[in-house]
Amino acid sequence: DTEVTQTPKHLVMGMTNKKSLKCEQHMGHRAMYWYKQKAKKPPELMFVYSYEKLSINESVPSRFSPECPNSSLLNLHLHALQPEDSALYLCASSHHSRQGGGSDTQYFGPGTRLTVL
Amino acid sequence: GIQVEQSPPDLILQEGANSTLRCNFSDSVNNLQWFHQNPWGQLINLFYIPSGTKQNGRLSATTVATERYSLLYISSSQTTDSGVYFCACNQAGTALIFGKGTTLSVSS
Repeated sequence: DTEVTQTPKHLVMGMTNKKSLKCEQHMGHRAMYWYKQKAKKPPELMFVYSYEKLSINESVPSRFSPECPNSSLLNLHLHALQPEDSALYLCASSHHSRQGGGSDTQYFGPGTRLTVL
Repeated sequence: GIQVEQSPPDLILQEGANSTLRCNFSDSVNNLQWFHQNPWGQLINLFYIPSGTKQNGRLSATTVATERYSLLYISSSQTTDSGVYFCACNQAGTALIFGKGTTLSVSS
């Protein structure tokens, strides 16, 4: 099984709302990632968790707050977002991440398409 | 950091045609992957290929690490091959860097 699942598929939120994106994998991977993808652009890395510890934060604003409750789950908590944060948010996992970079195949979930009004 | 360049940016094919997509990278890498992003946004892993040659059905890929390029070959293209093809690579301890992608449109 090489599946990464993400919920919800779509999310519309106002600038004052608090919401969470969820990601799950059952491949025994110990590295998990959040990426942000704007239309017609490549994915950009936001965060990397390695063995449930945050190992990379690519200077992401504090209105995005990641959480890794266990080795299978990754959350992204959203608060006070701006319209420019509207994007496709992708979760990925891999076997391990050496200091956050990852040297193994990354598998991606289907993404959450977020719209901030 | 590593620079990743893909060519061509856009490709339009008739069903049944063959194509070659190219990825150039600026430094030695530990990891190189090819992805297909379908119109719904799903990134599908095609190949993990930091060096050598691999084949999977109508798709094959070759990475010449010493010359810092990788090629993705699509044979007998089908309409379901349409979408964006990304090359992404990194060195140990660094983030995976994506190229800007090649947008492929296959018409019947």
